[in-house]
Amino acid sequence: DTGVSQDPRHKITKRGQNVTFRCDPISEHNRLYWYRQTLGQGPEFLTYFQNEAQLEKSRLLSDRFSAERPKGSFSTLEIQRTEQGDSAMYLCASSPGQGASGYTFGSGTRLTVV
Amino acid sequence: GNSVTQMEGPVTLSEEAFLTINCTYTATGYPSLFWYVQYPGEGLQLLLKATKADDKGSNKGFEATYRKETTSFHLEKGSVQVSDSAVYFCALSDSFSGGYNKLIFGAGTRLAVHP
Repeated sequence: DTGVSQDPRHKITKRGQNVTFRCDPISEHNRLYWYRQTLGQGPEFLTYFQNEAQLEKSRLLSDRFSAERPKGSFSTLEIQRTEQGDSAMYLCASSPGQGASGYTFGSGTRLTVV
Repeated sequence: GNSVTQMEGPVTLSEEAFLTINCTYTATGYPSLFWYVQYPGEGLQLLLKATKADDKGSNKGFEATYRKETTSFHLEKGSVQVSDSAVYFCALSDSFSGGYNKLIFGAGTRLAVHP
């Protein structure tokens, strides 16, 4: 297993377009997290899945954002009608269970909205 | 709410110098504390952790001690190398947040080590 994979690594899109990112967690990890990191800031929590259930969403996740994790495997994060303020690094992480020390982060998807 | 404050960067040091990056936190309950490192073009990697007061986390020559009385978790290394150049993030985990572990990060401190 090669860790947490995210695709694409970079995405440039025009304002108003929809984008979708994919995260493939470590296969035996049942917990999956999305974070957003803007320039010069630390990552901020967006949402959390345990298996296929989305159990918490941050207030940062507006109605234009939706995340899914069908069958409890890979996850997608979609942003509709992108805005320039959505430009950020979107990080995915997975863990096998309780205990944040088990977090493994992916390399992230860098989104630039022009 | 819970928060983490860490010293602003960039921190610029010569090789073999002593490193301290300050981190303080605000939290209810008894959080676990972490230092993560992000090398250019790579994902966040866990550097070290401490789960209770007076615990010392250590890894790759880095150390940090969980100080409940000063709500601090300062990162130290006795002799830095050029390869330590990266962004360092202090974070806390509130294990009471719905039964899972949400991480709250500081803003990060960029370290640049010159030969």
